[in-house]
Amino acid sequence: QSALTQPASVSGSPGQSITISCTGTSSDVGSYNFVSWYQQHPGKAPKLMIYEVFKRPSGVSNRFSGSKSGNTASLTISGLQAEDEADYYCCSFAHSSTFGAYVFGAGTRVTVL
Amino acid sequence: EAQLVESGGDLGQPGGSLRLSCAASGFTFSSYWMHWVRQAPGKGLLWVSRSNRDGSSTSYADSVKGRFTISRDNAKNTLYLQMNSLRAEDTAVYYCARELRGTGADAFDVWGQGTMVTVSS
Repeated sequence: QSALTQPASVSGSPGQSITISCTGTSSDVGSYNFVSWYQQHPGKAPKLMIYEVFKRPSGVSNRFSGSKSGNTASLTISGLQAEDEADYYCCSFAHSSTFGAYVFGAGTRVTVL
Repeated sequence: EAQLVESGGDLGQPGGSLRLSCAASGFTFSSYWMHWVRQAPGKGLLWVSRSNRDGSSTSYADSVKGRFTISRDNAKNTLYLQMNSLRAEDTAVYYCARELRGTGADAFDVWGQGTMVTVSS
């Protein structure tokens, strides 16, 4: 069982926008602005897409944006492209007795129709 | 360019030990907190352990506490994970990752390619 709740799958047509939610608790997402998002293509290492809720690392397309409200963080991909098809994981810093310093979501499979 | 290369993954026996290494290059290794994250086959990511810049402060997920030990050799630019008392549920790809900022709480901006650990008799 993952600490953060994400939808298992989200799909959209090229050019559309999609949003992936990530729901935690007041002990993780709700308490810290250390929420990050990772993209993972099959057989590859994760890639940082968003950090500290809404910041984009250098080189990441501005089609990717992040936000947070209360215990829920969100990743929005606008102008969906075929190359965006991948698994996406949210992550939050936390003081979890079970999961330790960081908690991840179970991942969301994004399909480009 | 910052790069991390893991090694040491192998088939291990239940109750046995393995030692993973992560060689860093392209950045000042001693300036960064470092982490291990694992991914069981077909599953999601799970944070395992972290080390501060000089190795004096470490922490672990409950699932590995008391069995795994993270360490680092800044002279060799290398991070380690000593895995003892292996269990079948430790089977996973193990990634080492660099923390973006030195807070002990921030995102992981550089990842290795991963090394596979399989625990089975």
